Order: sequence, then C-alpha cells, then structure tokens
Amino acid sequence: QSVLTQSPSASGPPGQRVAISCSGSSSNIGSHTVHWYQQLPGTAPKLLIYNNDQRPSGVPDRFSGSKSGTSASLAISGLQSEDEADYYCAAWDANLNGHVFGGGTRLTVL
Amino acid sequence: QVQLVQSGPEVKKPGASVRVSCKASGYSFSNSGIIWVRQAPGQGLEWVGWIAPYNGNVRYAQRLQGRVSMTTATSMNTAFLELRSLTSDDTAIYYCARVDCSGGGCYWVYWGQGTLVTVSS
Repeated sequence: QSVLTQSPSASGPPGQRVAISCSGSSSNIGSHTVHWYQQLPGTAPKLLIYNNDQRPSGVPDRFSGSKSGTSASLAISGLQSEDEADYYCAAWDANLNGHVFGGGTRLTVL
Repeated sequence: QVQLVQSGPEVKKPGASVRVSCKASGYSFSNSGIIWVRQAPGQGLEWVGWIAPYNGNVRYAQRLQGRVSMTTATSMNTAFLELRSLTSDDTAIYYCARVDCSGGGCYWVYWGQGTLVTVSS
C-alpha cells in the first residue's frame, strides 16, 4: 500500500488532454514539494516535473504539474502514442523521514 | 555528461547478502547525494534510502532498517548498496540516482541503468 494514492490507470485518444492525480497528507504533499516521474517499459524513471510545477529542460510543455493542499496533479495535453508509460508522483514525508511514491498510473493512449 | 553506471545482475539465495555498486562520472561526486530506489517485478517504485558522499550521512527506509547499508568510496566516485538477510521479497531492480536539490525540494534527474537482484533458492 503506497503512502501517496494514484489511480492505477488513465487513458485518452491522441490529441486529448488527460490528468493524473496524486493524493497524500499533511506530512508529505501538504508540506513538501511534489515531483513526477515517467517510466517507459524496461527503462529507468525519468524526471518529468519537479517542485510541483517545474519542467526540466527537454521536457515538452505539453506536460504540466500543479499542487493544492494535500493533492497534486500531472496534466498531459495533446496526447501522443509515445506518452504511453507509467507515471509516479513522489514527495518527502516528514513522519517517515524519507521519500514516498504513489503506486503509479499506467497511461494508455487509445 | 553525467553518467551513473551500475554493477551487473545478481542471483542470491535466501539469507544471503548482496552489494550493488553505482559508479558516477561527469560531475563532482562529493557534491551531490545518491539515492537508491527499487522496483519489484510488475510493481511500483520504492525508496530505499539516501547517502551524502560529502559527509557520509545516511537515511534508510524504515521498513529496511537493520538490513540495509549505504556507503561511498569517494576516491572511486562510487556508491554502494548492501542488503542483508535477503528474502524473495527483495527480488527487484535496484536503481541509483543523483540527488539534486533546489527551491525547497530534492529530486532525481540522473539515474543508473538498474541492477536486477534475484533472490531464489
């Protein structure tokens, strides 16, 4: 059971916009920044969004992040087939004194 | 360019120990922390712990406390993860990543390729 809660799956047709949510508590998302990682099959995770809404260089602006209270969201607009992957949220947890992940959301582009 | 290269796959028997290495290049190794994350087959990501090469400070996941050790050899630009008393639940891909911190958060841009550890009798 993951500390951060994500829906296990999401989907949308090419060109559509999809949002992936991540729910936590006051000890993690409520008091620390959220980061999002994309994992393609058989590869290491890739940083997609850091500090709630910042994009590393090279990440398309189709990807955006937001945070409100104890929840965060990753939005992907203009869905493309190469966006099919698993997406994980992560944050520091003050109670556990360590980083925690969401269980991951598998995105399918229909 | 920043690279993290991990050691090869391991097969261990239950009760044994395993040590995985992560060799860094392309940056000043002592200036950044290293984290370890694992992923069991078909499962999500799990944070294992964090080491700061510049002072040796470590933080381990609570559920692995007592079985896990992280060390570094700064002369070799290499970080090590040791896991003891292995069970089948420890079968996973183990990743190392460089810790970058800014704006109040710490995150992981550069990752190793992963090391598969299989625990089987």
